[in-house]
Parts: sequence; structure tokens; C-alpha cells
Amino acid sequence: GAVVSQHPSWVICKSGTSVKIECRSLDFQATTMFWYRQFPKQSLMLMATSNEGSKATYEQGVEKDKFLINHASLTLSTLTVTSAHPEDSSFYICSARDQPGFSGRSETQYFGPGTRLLVL
Amino acid sequence: RKEVEQDPGPFNVPEGATVAFNCTYSNSASQSFFWYRQDCRKEPKLLMSVYSSGNEDGRFTAQLNRASQYISLLIRDSKLSDSATYLCVVRYNTGGFKTIFGAGTRLFVKA
Repeated sequence: GAVVSQHPSWVICKSGTSVKIECRSLDFQATTMFWYRQFPKQSLMLMATSNEGSKATYEQGVEKDKFLINHASLTLSTLTVTSAHPEDSSFYICSARDQPGFSGRSETQYFGPGTRLLVL
Repeated sequence: RKEVEQDPGPFNVPEGATVAFNCTYSNSASQSFFWYRQDCRKEPKLLMSVYSSGNEDGRFTAQLNRASQYISLLIRDSKLSDSATYLCVVRYNTGGFKTIFGAGTRLFVKA
């Protein structure tokens, strides 16, 4: 199956710093990537949809100036948590959607392993 | 009303049991349906897509009922390794695709 990687897998930082998380599709091109956040014992919450070469579409309630998304190529999207605070501590997961015909199933999402962020 | 609703469980079943989960969705324009499996502190993994005609993959059977707006997942001959959270996922197009995850149903299979 398709592989999506995330880096780093975990990060601990001080309040006020910015953290960048990378999401890469390793063996396929992903015109669309998604960023999710998951708090303990809760479901995934979609933060934004990222399309290569264009601005990300943010879900209601997600601050676009705080969570900067860049999707500069068909295999890489980055999420930057600016001026992180303890309440931003969470599990951030990206997913990449393949193009029709790649997996035999249209629009399958492949998830990265996630990044655990702890803001002290 | 939530767009996608699932019974959070947990469902505690013995090995070998058959267990079924339902998931209801509110948007009648929903087009695609999936079941994902998520192990504790891990990312979700696609278990199976749900087609209108229903589909089966080994011990897993998924069904879609558009009239009642629900999808189901049936697991036969449960294994210990089936213990996980099962997420129902619904996608629809409102000028752009929107993907909604259910909160998940926790399953514990015990020896």
C-alpha cells in the first residue's frame, strides 16, 4: 500500500515557539493532503485541506494564521504551529489522497503515523 | 445532531464472537463511506470501503443502507487482534469534498 511519512514523530517545545511538521507521500503523488488533530480519547478532527500549489482550506474554528500550511509539491505538505501554547499539545496526523487509478480505488486516504506535540 | 454518529462502546466480546457496529450519517448527499481501524495511540488505517451493494473482506462485512442513512460493519469469528477503535467515515461533495470522521466505537476482544 501507499506510504505516508511524517517528521518529526514527536516534539517537545517551550510555549511561544513555532513547530513545523512535515508530511510526505513516499510512493505516490498527492494533489490533496489533509491535516487532522486528535486529542486523547477523541476522534480525529479535520483542521484543513491542502491542495498542491494553492491555499489551504481551513475548517471552521481553525485559525489559519496559527496553523500555517504549505503544500509546495505533490509529495510534501508542511504544517507550522506558530507560537505554540500548551493547549496546542495534541496528536497531529496528516493524510494524503491518491489520484484515481493509483490504488484501484478512487480517493483513498493514506495516513501518516502522526506527530505528538507537547508544549510545555 | 452530529453529522456522523457511532456508539462509542466499548464492546467487550469473547474470541470467536460475531459483533456488529452501526454508524448513522445525517447528510443524504453523502457519497463515499469507509471503515477505518485505529489502534491505541496510532494513526487510522483503512479497513474497507463500503459500497452500495455491500462488500465482504474475509471476516469483515460492510453494508450501506441509504434509505435509513447508516452503514454497518460486521466482524465474524473475532480475534484478539481485532481489539481497536473502529471509525466510520463519510464523504460528501458540497463544492469540495468534505470528510467526516465518527468518534469511533471501541472493541475489546477477550480470550
